[in-house]
Amino acid sequence: AQKVTQAQTEISVVEKEDVTLDCVYETRDTTYYLFWYKQPPSGELVFLIRRNSFDEQNEISGRYSWNFQKSTSSFNFTITASQVVDSAVYFCALSEAETGNQFYFGTGTSLTVIP
Amino acid sequence: NAGVMQNPRHLVRRRGQEARLRCSPMKGHSHVYWYRQLPEEGLKFMVYLQKENIIDESGMPKERFSAEFPKEGPSILRIQQVVRGDSAAYFCASSTGFSYGYTFGSGTRLTVV
Repeated sequence: AQKVTQAQTEISVVEKEDVTLDCVYETRDTTYYLFWYKQPPSGELVFLIRRNSFDEQNEISGRYSWNFQKSTSSFNFTITASQVVDSAVYFCALSEAETGNQFYFGTGTSLTVIP
Repeated sequence: NAGVMQNPRHLVRRRGQEARLRCSPMKGHSHVYWYRQLPEEGLKFMVYLQKENIIDESGMPKERFSAEFPKEGPSILRIQQVVRGDSAAYFCASSTGFSYGYTFGSGTRLTVV
């Protein structure tokens, strides 16, 4: 069973639109961490955010915001006023305290921002 | 403060050759992890190592793949007798021992021709 599901394979938006990338996770652990990474066309992984399971506060960083809801096992990512430089593949990932050695990645959402 | 260094960035091998991918962890990190990203897919865990020990290799293919992290020097992911299906990006990460402290390298893109 997939531990992290990113149902949106590809999204296209016009510049300045807002866009939300969905992430649903599955775990039996009470202690876990959720992450978002950005992978631009150059291929490296850029860390965006880490959130632990005990902190359900939403977070905002500039044009980026994250909505963590344990009740729906979701950790969604919103980009406000999108820009062309936001075009990339975005990955959501889960790390469990019990099997803390590895990350479980979603299959990614490819975002294209059209100028 | 150098991050996780992976080299080479790009590697081309003919079918049947060996591929060696190197990963130098961040200073102070003694835990290394390897992940593989097949085209159009997310990253999949391969192996977790500490110095001179393989801790978890549950994601490693049973044949042709091996990994080591010697007392001195970088971690090496070795693929023997490469096949076209091995073409992928291979990412290394390091940490102090807690997965929430992961740092990823820039990856090695292996192309098998």
